[in-house]
Amino acid sequence: GAVVSQHPSRVICKSGTSVKIECRSLDFQATTMFWYRQFPKQSLMLMATSNEGSKATYEQGVEKDKFLINHASLTLSTLTVTSAHPEDSSFYICSAKPGVKETQYFGPGTRLLVL
Amino acid sequence: DAKTTQPPSMDCAEGRAANLPCNHSTISGNEYVYWYRQIHSQGPQYIIHGLKNNETNEMASLIITEDRKSSTLILPHATLRDTAVYYCIVRVRGNTGKLIFGQGTTLQVKP
Repeated sequence: GAVVSQHPSRVICKSGTSVKIECRSLDFQATTMFWYRQFPKQSLMLMATSNEGSKATYEQGVEKDKFLINHASLTLSTLTVTSAHPEDSSFYICSAKPGVKETQYFGPGTRLLVL
Repeated sequence: DAKTTQPPSMDCAEGRAANLPCNHSTISGNEYVYWYRQIHSQGPQYIIHGLKNNETNEMASLIITEDRKSSTLILPHATLRDTAVYYCIVRVRGNTGKLIFGQGTTLQVKP
């Protein structure tokens, strides 16, 4: 139980284009989902918290207009990197928290490379 | 949320117990201790969590000191597949649930 998937697992795009990453909770309903970013040899950095049906809460320093988050259902959240640049190349990881539980479960991550 | 301190790296022989320490001296009474691990190029995997009592599951045991200022994650019989970065995280019970990751401990299990 508590499986979280991400799609795509890997994406390469040209600078200036937008990329959408999906995060799905497969066997539970997630009232809250989180998006993290991880650069090589660094730890995970929380980008934003999204609650189903409401606007995401972004961490300090994260541009909300660049990283669009939509949590349209209890099993799906999407992160869109708009006008991607090479410095946005990173490993993006989502996690989901079942409504009544305290524990958070992570997806396998999406590796983004912007050329 | 309280900060944690972990050694940057540790080695363990295959088949032996791996004991990973974590200091969280500023922990509050309503804060949980969580452990996750991240195998290279994968998302973090939940291991175990506790509030004040020791906990055990199929993966590991969590020993929390009586004053709650430190804890130890024990992998009873480490295998090569346990090589990973282990993160000890403290977070407030019942809040949004967000986890703030530190640098963790890189555990290398050697044959």
